[in-house]
Amino acid sequence: GAGVSQSPSNKVTEKGKDVELRCDPISGHTALYWYRQSLGQGLEFLIYFQGNSAPDKSGLPSDRFSAERTGGSVSTLTIQRTQQEDSAVYLCASSTLAGGSSYEQYFGPGTRLTVT
Amino acid sequence: GDSVTQMEGPVTLSEEAFLTINCTYTATGYPSLFWYVQYPGEGLQLLLKATKADDKGSNKGFEATYRKETTSFHLEKGSVQVSDSAVYFCALSTSGGTALIFGKGTTLSVSS
Repeated sequence: GAGVSQSPSNKVTEKGKDVELRCDPISGHTALYWYRQSLGQGLEFLIYFQGNSAPDKSGLPSDRFSAERTGGSVSTLTIQRTQQEDSAVYLCASSTLAGGSSYEQYFGPGTRLTVT
Repeated sequence: GDSVTQMEGPVTLSEEAFLTINCTYTATGYPSLFWYVQYPGEGLQLLLKATKADDKGSNKGFEATYRKETTSFHLEKGSVQVSDSAVYFCALSTSGGTALIFGKGTTLSVSS
């Protein structure tokens, strides 16, 4: 079946612009996660959804970052007033439920964001 | 806070060589431990996992044993292949937690 998909695959934007990154999880997966992969910081957790609610937003680096999920499916990560340090690969993952090791997280291919 | 430390790369080996990638962790409680692999141009894939002390995870010839006494989860393979060239990430998930906490990744390059 289809895996996690993300769009766009690449995004180049100018500093100060807003961007939206999209994630389509595996059908039926109720938990959805956003991570960021950058050269300096490695892989960092950003936010997690269970259904449409986000119980854990602890990894969002600033109030310029926000995310929503609608219909228990597609999620959008929005970065406002982008800065050069936002340049990274943004990864989305989904799992059947959330919690510890019980539910494997399946990762999408990522969106590479470059802020010029 | 919880963290994962893995050996710096890159690791360069010849085909059929023995591989070890070291991983140690700091966590409260009893975490679950994972190895993820990222092949060139592909997304992260779960390679293996272990959920309690002394468990051994294994897949595709790779193994790792959860050692609570040394807080380690080293990845090993007896004979690497060129197709094993990838970036390997050690990760943990704390009991009751949801997010994965990753190490910085180790790049493995295998030549024929």
